[in-house]
Parts: sequence; structure tokens; C-alpha cells
Amino acid sequence: DAKTTQPTSMDCAEGRAANLPCNHSTISGNEYVYWYRQIHSQGPQYIIHGLKNNETNEMASLIITEDRKSSTLILPHATLRDTAVYYCIVRGDSSYKLIFGSGTRLLVRP
Amino acid sequence: EAQVTQNPRYLITVTGKKLTVTCSQNMNHEYMSWYRQDPGLGLRQIYYSMNVEVTDKGDVPEGYKVSRKEKRNFPLILESPSPNQTSLYFCASMRTSLYNEQFFGPGTRLTVL
Repeated sequence: DAKTTQPTSMDCAEGRAANLPCNHSTISGNEYVYWYRQIHSQGPQYIIHGLKNNETNEMASLIITEDRKSSTLILPHATLRDTAVYYCIVRGDSSYKLIFGSGTRLLVRP
Repeated sequence: EAQVTQNPRYLITVTGKKLTVTCSQNMNHEYMSWYRQDPGLGLRQIYYSMNVEVTDKGDVPEGYKVSRKEKRNFPLILESPSPNQTSLYFCASMRTSLYNEQFFGPGTRLTVL
């Protein structure tokens, strides 16, 4: 599975959009991009995933570049409860295992 | 409510005293997995199970055992716990269609003295 690179930390103001980038330059054609988050020490929570088209659900939007080498998770109106560590994970069909990197620690400021 | 439950949530024990952490899911998921989370090391997979009676080692299986006698339950067994197994443990489950989400339990914080 491809490795991902994310900034260590980011912050944004409450009510503003949070844009979290992820690089996955070695991604292969059958690998999906997943985003999970972990609030404090709770269990990781699934947010969204995609292959090559942009995706949106009730939590977030996922924008994947045309070459698929990077993606951005967008939380359109961040709230204080969105303060968490966000993990970008690339997974293909070789394993169900999720390989968690260090993630991005997002701090939403009042 | 669809969920993964773990018990106990917190446990302090002593070296060598056998313990079991239970994991149960009510979503009829085939795949279940155990992870441990340590500062600076992230989440690492311990064991996983593709279905009843089918289990396999993850990345850090030493010192752990698992069993999958029923689809809903996937207990993690520490036969002789040691201080280096002090960690935060998470159980997860998912339906075995490759591109589904995994559901995680709330975690079990284990301290081995």
C-alpha cells in the first residue's frame, strides 16, 4: 500500500473551512484514498473515501487531483468538535489492514 | 445502534496475570481486527480475522492470542502480560467488500505493572 505524507499540525477558525492536504505520490491505480479521524483517544472514525472522482458526504468533501498523487479533505464549516488527528490512508485490494501514519493534528480555534 | 463494543475500557494488571479483552460487533461483519496504539508509533495491527475460525497475524502479534468462534466476537487474549504491552487497544470490524469503512470500538486502556 502506498505511503502518505501529511502536515504534522494545522489550525483553523471555527466556522471556516478546514483544508487538510495529503500526498500519496506512489499510489497505484486500484488504491483508494481513505480519511479517518481520531478525537482525543477515542476509536478512529471513518470520514470519507474515494478513488479518482471528488466525493462529498455529510461530514466532508474529498478532492483528489487528476494524477491522484495528492488529495485534500475539506471540512466546510469546522466546529470545535472537529479538533482531532486526521489520518489519510491509501488502501488497495491486497489487504483490509489500515496503515495509520502520524496524521495531521487539527486544532479548531474559537 | 450499529457499534463495536470493548470490555473492559480500562484495566490495570500485573505481569503474568492472564487477561482477556472482549470485542463484540452487532453488524454481522465478517472481518475483525485488533490494533494497539502507542505514542510515536501510531496504530499497529495485532491480529485479524476474515471470518469465523479464520485468524491471522498482523504486524505485532507477539504475546497475544485471538479466537473467532462466533461471528460477532473477537476476544484478545494476553496469556502472560508484560509491561511492554501497556497500550491503548482498539478492535475494528468491517464488511468484506474491499472498499468499505472500518468501524472501531471505543478502546481499552491497559496498564501492566
